[in-house]
Amino acid sequence: GAGVSQSPSNKVTEKGKDVELRCDPISGHTALYWYRQSLGQGLEFLIYFQGNSAPDKSGLPSDRFSAERTGGSVSTLTIQRTQQEDSAVYLCASSLDSYNSPLHFGNGTRLTVT
Amino acid sequence: DAKTTQPNSMESNEEEPVHLPCNHSTISGTDYIHWYRQLPSQGPEYVIHGLTSNVNNRMASLAIAEDRKSSTLILHRATLRDAAVYYCILNPAGNQFYFGTGTSLTVIP
Repeated sequence: GAGVSQSPSNKVTEKGKDVELRCDPISGHTALYWYRQSLGQGLEFLIYFQGNSAPDKSGLPSDRFSAERTGGSVSTLTIQRTQQEDSAVYLCASSLDSYNSPLHFGNGTRLTVT
Repeated sequence: DAKTTQPNSMESNEEEPVHLPCNHSTISGTDYIHWYRQLPSQGPEYVIHGLTSNVNNRMASLAIAEDRKSSTLILHRATLRDAAVYYCILNPAGNQFYFGTGTSLTVIP
């Protein structure tokens, strides 16, 4: 069956530009997560959506980062005025619910800010 | 956030069993223990999870200590395709998953 889909797979942008990263979770999954992974590092939690509840934004590194999830399905992570330190792989994951259900990850979007 | 501690790296010979340890001394009664692995240039992949009892699936076994302060992921016969970074994570009920830096497993042919 279809897994978590992320687009684009690669994005190169100039410093100061805005970018939008898209995540299509597995159909029926109520929980959706965004993580960031810098080269050679572990995963850094960014934001978490669960059903219709207010998202947990505690991991967003600055107010340049925002995310939304429309209709409980597709999610978009937006980075405004990109900086070179934003360069990383951005990973999206979904799960059937937020407890006792495994995460299913996409292959990520590799963002390079020049 | 609930913390786990894993060795940075481990090595194993091909076709031998591998025991990957994880300490989680601050675990609470409702935290599930999850294991994921990440192959190069891919997103993490679910391996196994459990609460109190040992668990087995087609990929691996999970042995959970009686006091639940530690667990061990067991790969019964390591193959070259098992070379990856393995993450041990606690999942508090209704909360997000926090990933550490994991254990980088090298499989020697």
